[in-house]
Amino acid sequence: SQTIHQWPATLVQPVGSPLSLECTVEGTSNPNLYWYRQAAGRGLQLLFYSVGIGQISSEVPQNLSASRPQDRQFILSSKKLLLSDSGFYLCAASKGGQPYEQYFGPGTRLTVT
Amino acid sequence: AQRVTQPEKLLSVFKGAPVELKCNYSYSGSPELFWYVQYSRQRLQLLLRHISRESIKGFTADLNKGETSFHLKKPFAQEEDSAMYYCALRMDSSYKLIFGSGTRLLVRP
Repeated sequence: SQTIHQWPATLVQPVGSPLSLECTVEGTSNPNLYWYRQAAGRGLQLLFYSVGIGQISSEVPQNLSASRPQDRQFILSSKKLLLSDSGFYLCAASKGGQPYEQYFGPGTRLTVT
Repeated sequence: AQRVTQPEKLLSVFKGAPVELKCNYSYSGSPELFWYVQYSRQRLQLLLRHISRESIKGFTADLNKGETSFHLKKPFAQEEDSAMYYCALRMDSSYKLIFGSGTRLLVRP
């Protein structure tokens, strides 16, 4: 099975500072990769997904961007954080032929002050 | 637009009582529906999918296309069923899932 690693676990950043959250996957090659934001009462909001290196699809226009420099590495970034970027960010992966079964990472709690 | 609705934020039942977590979707094509679960201090994980028509941990869910629903049911709730439950929709040949807002199930002793 797949194992998803995310870091850092928690992060406190000032408004206007840059962001880089990293996600790596073990146990499978060429996975589909996803970034979600989980907000209380609003469920999981899909931010980005990727079906291959360098291929990023954006679901929600916002202050964030994603990149996939390697097959099993997915990075969520921002040049200048906003207060509204605070939240819990989840990375997930699925096998190419089974996109419905997603394996989730432990998440990163981001607080923008 | 495609959407998944879970009308209850919190569902509280006593141990041994029946449970039904509601999920409704809006999608005009052929949907695939799933239930994901997140237990306390654990990662979100797949519980079941409608295509497999199986019972997992005593839970079942039937896709009702007429009512566009995929409710999760269990005849006798257990304390260890307490968790956050998310309903999810996959559209035709899509790589992504659309999640509902989740329902917290609390099973009291």
